[in-house]
Amino acid sequence: AQSVSQHNHHVILSEAASLELGCNYSYGGTVNLFWYVQYPGQHLQLLLKYFSGDPLVKGIKGFEAEFIKSKFSFNLRKPSVQWSDTAEYFCAVDPSNTGKLIFGQGTTLQVKP
Amino acid sequence: KAGVTQTPRYLIKTRGQQVTLSCSPISGHRSVSWYQQTPGQGLQFLFEYFSETQRNKGNFPGRFSGRQFSNSRSEMNVSTLELGDSALYLCASRLAENTGELFFGEGSRLTVL
Repeated sequence: AQSVSQHNHHVILSEAASLELGCNYSYGGTVNLFWYVQYPGQHLQLLLKYFSGDPLVKGIKGFEAEFIKSKFSFNLRKPSVQWSDTAEYFCAVDPSNTGKLIFGQGTTLQVKP
Repeated sequence: KAGVTQTPRYLIKTRGQQVTLSCSPISGHRSVSWYQQTPGQGLQFLFEYFSETQRNKGNFPGRFSGRQFSNSRSEMNVSTLELGDSALYLCASRLAENTGELFFGEGSRLTVL
């Protein structure tokens, strides 16, 4: 079955530290890839997406992600986190553009001021 | 423009009852999807509607159903509620089938007692 795996369930960082959240998926065909963020008390918001083209994609708030097809990975990065980045982050895969997103279990990021 | 609107935001039901949740997509969006979010299972796809037709369905029992109206608004219904149905139910919309990212609402939090 298709699945998405996020390696880190809970990450604690100090402000200005660098962030990398891992995401791997199991699907051999064409995929659309997403990272969503859920700030405390707010709805899911799109951070960035990859459909095709340059495998390094830039999103909002200084986030970026790299699609490595050979590794079935789509890791999220930010060079320097801020306290306001405290949130839950979800990686999601849309296999063959079906619109049926498969989400990872989420990573809770806590940034200490 | 207004985002995805879900009603009610919170509701409490007892086992055996049924519930109907409503979703108004972003203006101009014709595709509506529903997801269930629980601490244990994470975000799971329920179904997607486009042009009043169910286009895709997740692995949920038949007690979970939905529909879409001609104005793209959607409802989902859960009959014979079970304790395990307690969850945050998220609605998401996008322009059309096979077109890009989902925009999520704030969700309807259902508690089944």
